[in-house]
Amino acid sequence: DAGVIQSPRHEVTEMGQEVTLRCKPISGHNSLFWYRQTMMRGLELLIYFNNNVPIDDSGMPEDRFSAKMPNASFSTLKIQPSEPRDSAVYFCASSPLSYGYTFGSGTRLTVV
Amino acid sequence: AQTVTQSQPEMSVQEAETVTLSCTYDTSESNYYLFWYKQPPSRQMILVIRQEAYKQQNATENRFSVNFQKAAKSFSLKISDSQLGDTAMYFCAFNSGYALNFGKGTSLLVTP
Repeated sequence: DAGVIQSPRHEVTEMGQEVTLRCKPISGHNSLFWYRQTMMRGLELLIYFNNNVPIDDSGMPEDRFSAKMPNASFSTLKIQPSEPRDSAVYFCASSPLSYGYTFGSGTRLTVV
Repeated sequence: AQTVTQSQPEMSVQEAETVTLSCTYDTSESNYYLFWYKQPPSRQMILVIRQEAYKQQNATENRFSVNFQKAAKSFSLKISDSQLGDTAMYFCAFNSGYALNFGKGTSLLVTP
């Protein structure tokens, strides 16, 4: 298994632009998570999907952030419009159960 | 709310020596899971070891072992025979439902 696959690995964009981060979970994992990592706040859960349905999006910072999971093998996290304070590493993780999370390699987002 | 505290922001150890990283957590739950994740400079989040709260026996994985003290809500990680490749950030994490709650991390440097 190739693990959780995230793309792109790095993204540099200008303030105000739309950014889309992508994630392919491990086949058979029914839970998918998006986390954000910053120096100030550490690792924060943004949103949790179970069987492609968003269960908890209370961590999504504001309306500029949106996430979708159209099928079991693909999820996106979109930021529109992006701001410099959105600069962070964004991780996607998947899990078959309440434990045994597998993380992707993350996307480092820089908004200038 | 569950909180995870790692009181050692930075630690260093010489190669082949043993080091212990501390973690405490706060919860009212009785059933939960605890994890240690390693994040090397590549930024990949790697699961090091997992402990189920209902198991009294401390988990071990090769050179990595934990000291789980449920009453004290303590979950420390011991790394034996430290290797240069152990240099990384180490995160303690707690899970009682679907989301992982992470500590702020301990930066471990292994020196020759």
